[in-house]
Amino acid sequence: AQSVAQPEDQVNVAEGNPLTVKCTYSVSGNPYLFWYVQYPNRGLQFLLKYITGDNLVKGSYGFEAEFNKSQTSFHLKKPSALVSDSALYFCAVRRLMNYGGSQGNLIFGKGTKLSVKP
Amino acid sequence: DAGVTQSPTHLIKTRGQQVTLRCSPKSGHDTVSWYQQALGQGPQFIFQYYEEEERQRGNFPDRFSGHQFPNYSSELNVNALLLGDSALYLCASSAMGTGERNTQYFGPGTRLTVL
Repeated sequence: AQSVAQPEDQVNVAEGNPLTVKCTYSVSGNPYLFWYVQYPNRGLQFLLKYITGDNLVKGSYGFEAEFNKSQTSFHLKKPSALVSDSALYFCAVRRLMNYGGSQGNLIFGKGTKLSVKP
Repeated sequence: DAGVTQSPTHLIKTRGQQVTLRCSPKSGHDTVSWYQQALGQGPQFIFQYYEEEERQRGNFPDRFSGHQFPNYSSELNVNALLLGDSALYLCASSAMGTGERNTQYFGPGTRLTVL
């Protein structure tokens, strides 16, 4: 069965410090991995994805994520946090599939609340 | 370029009623997926539509049904509403036949409250 784990309910960081939001996954076959961000009372905004290739993926707003196949992890990182980065972050995995006209669905973690203090 | 749009923004219903939520995909997208996000949880997949057919379904009862129109827009219908159906309903669109097909873009959601 496919699953995503975000082990931290909340991450607290001081503005200007580096941040890491952790994600581990379980999926058979090659994974497609995604990070989304959700601001209060809003939908999910796409940040970045890993499909294949370079293990370090760069995305929107200065975020990046590192794919580690041996540890089945896909941690989100940013070198210098901003107060405006405070939001709910979701990691998601999708199994590579394309049959019957289906892309396959996203499986999300429970989310990690990031709080950046001035 | 308009992103994914959903209507209405908020909705209040009572138990036993029926509701219809609407979604217009991002320009150039032909696939629509629906997710339910309960308070404090990650989104849960309901179903996916492509070429006006339901292609994949998550673990949701038959009370949840959908439709996709020729212009790729989609509706989510929920019958016999239960209190537990209260949630944020998210629509996501993607493109099946292009390199962008791996990325689902989400709308702002419809907040459904069942009393």
